Amino acid sequence: GAVVSQHPSWVICKSGTSVKIECRSLDFQATTMFWYRQFPKQSLMLMATSNEGSKATYEQGVEKDKFLINHASLTLSTLTVTSAHPEDSSFYICSAKTGGNEQFFGPGTRLTVL
Amino acid sequence: QQPVQSPQAVILREGEDAVINCSSSKALYSVHWYRQKHGEAPVFLMILLKGGEQKGHDKISASFNEKKQQSSLYLTASQLSYSGTYFCGTRGNAGNMLTFGGGTRLMVKP
Repeated sequence: GAVVSQHPSWVICKSGTSVKIECRSLDFQATTMFWYRQFPKQSLMLMATSNEGSKATYEQGVEKDKFLINHASLTLSTLTVTSAHPEDSSFYICSAKTGGNEQFFGPGTRLTVL
Repeated sequence: QQPVQSPQAVILREGEDAVINCSSSKALYSVHWYRQKHGEAPVFLMILLKGGEQKGHDKISASFNEKKQQSSLYLTASQLSYSGTYFCGTRGNAGNMLTFGGGTRLMVKP
């Protein structure tokens, strides 16, 4: 299957700082990438849909000024959590859609805000 | 709207079979199945498209009943490595996004 990478794998930061998470499709071009957040023992909650070259589409209840998404190229999307707070601590997972209908997930980034 | 998965949890002995169901209240274009192990990202298992597909790989197979807006994942002769949480993701006729069910926790014991 297609490979999606995320960087970093985990990050611990202080409250009030900003954290950037990168999502890359390594062996295919992804016009659409998705960002999810998952709390322990819960399902994946879609945060936003990221399309290359255009503004991201955010799900209801997700603050676009807090979770900045940039889809700079066909292989890279970034999520920046601005002014992070402890309640932002979660597992953030990106996925990328292939030219077909398949969607592959990155390995996830565990964010802990102290 | 989130698809409904059942059962929520199941415990099996190695070698036993299991079925996980995924139901939607809306018309579906495709159903995607993933397995997630603790602390890891979901791993893609298979996708079933509108038109009533059935497919399988190794001892895991799935079906998609478009009319009933349901999909089932079949695990036969389960192995210890099958343990994890299984999610179905559904895509409606419009849009790109997947909406995930609440997950089914599967534990296979020796």
